[in-house]
Amino acid sequence: DQQVKQNSPSLSVQEGRISILNCDYTNSMFDYFLWYKKYPAEGPTFLISISSIKDKNEDGRFTVFLNKSAKHLSLHIVPSQPGDSAVYFCAANTGNQFYFGTGTSLTVIP
Amino acid sequence: DAGVIQSPRHEVTEMGQEVTLRCKPISGHNSLFWYRQTMMRGLELLIYFNNNVPIDDSGMPEDRFSAKMPNASFSTLKIQPSEPRDSAVYFCASSLLAGANEQFFGPGTRLTVL
Repeated sequence: DQQVKQNSPSLSVQEGRISILNCDYTNSMFDYFLWYKKYPAEGPTFLISISSIKDKNEDGRFTVFLNKSAKHLSLHIVPSQPGDSAVYFCAANTGNQFYFGTGTSLTVIP
Repeated sequence: DAGVIQSPRHEVTEMGQEVTLRCKPISGHNSLFWYRQTMMRGLELLIYFNNNVPIDDSGMPEDRFSAKMPNASFSTLKIQPSEPRDSAVYFCASSLLAGANEQFFGPGTRLTVL
């Protein structure tokens, strides 16, 4: 049973435009939500996180939005750059349990 | 720091054989996690250790899978006997604290069971 879902397996965006990656979850007890970025043949790397008590966290070109009533979070990348092309995993944790989504492959077209 | 080290990077084996995957966490990190990545289920947490002690192995798919952490700098994930459905990329990750948000992942081991 997937507690964290990424329903879009892939996304293509023009360089300079905004990329929006979406994630839905089912467990209202999650404490933190995280986004990881993964390049081919490498392990995922932490990108940005948000506490369940907040609705927005921004770090440079990356902003994560949390809508607790809808159990939905999104990652905004603006402006998108070709180097952002990677697989993005949404994750959530409660205590020591981490749950990851299936990933969304982002392609930024130059 | 070299980061989390995993070996081998690639493993091809035949059904029924024993497979051992190895992980060296980042020095000073107290928690270690084993994940399996598949297309259908994404990253699944198999087991995690805190201070070398297995805390939760509920994600281990079945008895053919076992994991050990004999000391703070080494962990193994063993599959015996291996089956074709075990083919996946296996990641090891470590974090400073058990509840820390940021986990540091190794490069993964791509396992193919023929």
